[in-house]
Amino acid sequence: AQTVTQSQPEMSVQEAETVTLSCTYDTSESDYYLFWYKQPPSRQMILVIRQEAYKQQNATENRFSVNFQKAAKSFSLKISDSQLGDAAMYFCAYRLPFEYALNFGKGTSLLVTP
Amino acid sequence: KAGVTQTPRYLIKTRGQQVTLSCSPISGHRSVSWYQQTPGQGLQFLFEYFSETQRNKGNFPGRFSGRQFSNSRSEMNVSTLELGDSALYLCASSPSLAGGPRETQYFGPGTRLLVL
Repeated sequence: AQTVTQSQPEMSVQEAETVTLSCTYDTSESDYYLFWYKQPPSRQMILVIRQEAYKQQNATENRFSVNFQKAAKSFSLKISDSQLGDAAMYFCAYRLPFEYALNFGKGTSLLVTP
Repeated sequence: KAGVTQTPRYLIKTRGQQVTLSCSPISGHRSVSWYQQTPGQGLQFLFEYFSETQRNKGNFPGRFSGRQFSNSRSEMNVSTLELGDSALYLCASSPSLAGGPRETQYFGPGTRLLVL
């Protein structure tokens, strides 16, 4: 079974600063997909960024980027120029190709202070 | 396009009762997945339906069941409710067949179930 671990239950960052959220996973598969989802207080899960394991290049989406280290099974999320609207729970998730079951980590609660 | 809708948004039931939750996917989406979110266990996959067939199932007891209709709308049912079934139930829909990396799962706002 694949497991996803987020070791930081809570993180805090000041507005305009940069923060990195950690995620590690355990799998014996060589091909898989990794995701970061954001869940604001409204509880609506929103996809932030995704990474295919076969791609060496780290994914970026505007202020969000990942540091994907396949050998170390690490997938961290960097948020640059943090904004108040970034405050939310962030979940790291893993999925196998051709399947739809997402395995989620326990989440990291991000607080953004003015 | 309208997003994923879930009804009802809030529900209160008592132990032993059964409950049915509904999910309407984004128009054109054919895959619907269900997740349970609790403070203790986090987000856990329940099951996934495509073309009225269950393709994947998580590790939940048989009290949890689901179905999908020909219009892709899905329902999940929990029978003989237990206190531990109190959770946020999230539904997600996906557009295509292959489950490839670019295929995003779009989540609904969830149904919050409280079992007393």
